[in-house]
Amino acid sequence: DVKVTQSSRYLVKRTGEKVFLECVQDMDHENMFWYRQDPGLGLRLIYFSYDVKMKEKGDIPEGYSVSREKKERFSLILESASTNQTSMYLCASSPGLRGNSPLHFGNGTRLTVT
Amino acid sequence: SQKIEQNSEALNIQEGKTATLTCNYTNYSPAYLQWYRQDPGRGPVFLLLIRENEKEKRKERLKVTFDTTLKQSLFHITASQPADSATYLCALGSTGSGNTGKLIFGQGTTLQVKP
Repeated sequence: DVKVTQSSRYLVKRTGEKVFLECVQDMDHENMFWYRQDPGLGLRLIYFSYDVKMKEKGDIPEGYSVSREKKERFSLILESASTNQTSMYLCASSPGLRGNSPLHFGNGTRLTVT
Repeated sequence: SQKIEQNSEALNIQEGKTATLTCNYTNYSPAYLQWYRQDPGRGPVFLLLIRENEKEKRKERLKVTFDTTLKQSLFHITASQPADSATYLCALGSTGSGNTGKLIFGQGTTLQVKP
């Protein structure tokens, strides 16, 4: 089975801190994604990457950046954390360049910014 | 803008009955639609995919329909069990360049199956 591992289940950070969320997948998938999930809003795409060192903005990229130096690892960076970035962050991966492959999700990082 | 709507109210049904969840969309022409299950504190897990040229897909007790005219998908769980209690998410996607697996998700519908 594909395993997508997010480094932290829970994080508490202060406003203004730089925050790194790490995600690793073990199935050699080309595509990786970062979503945030908020009550009533569903999952919203922040950034995605379809290859090493490649990145594309999703629907809500403001206040975030990403890094993909290796195929298996996709990092989400909050440059200066704000309270409105308190959320559940979900990383996912999928294989190949076909657009209909299922996403494999990690179990999420619940980030609280105080 | 693209919009996906799922019933925001929880669906409560009795064990053994068929659960039917709805996913409606506007301003979008998806090439395929996926359904996921999410348990509390966990990431979503893929269940079924249906393409725009398919009317219906089945997997064990699950059935998905896709009506591109009505812009709607229905997700059915027959002979429901308490273990089916979870939040179910629909997600739409397109194929072609620039759409490498990018999905748009609905907000999910919570299903509660009572014994």
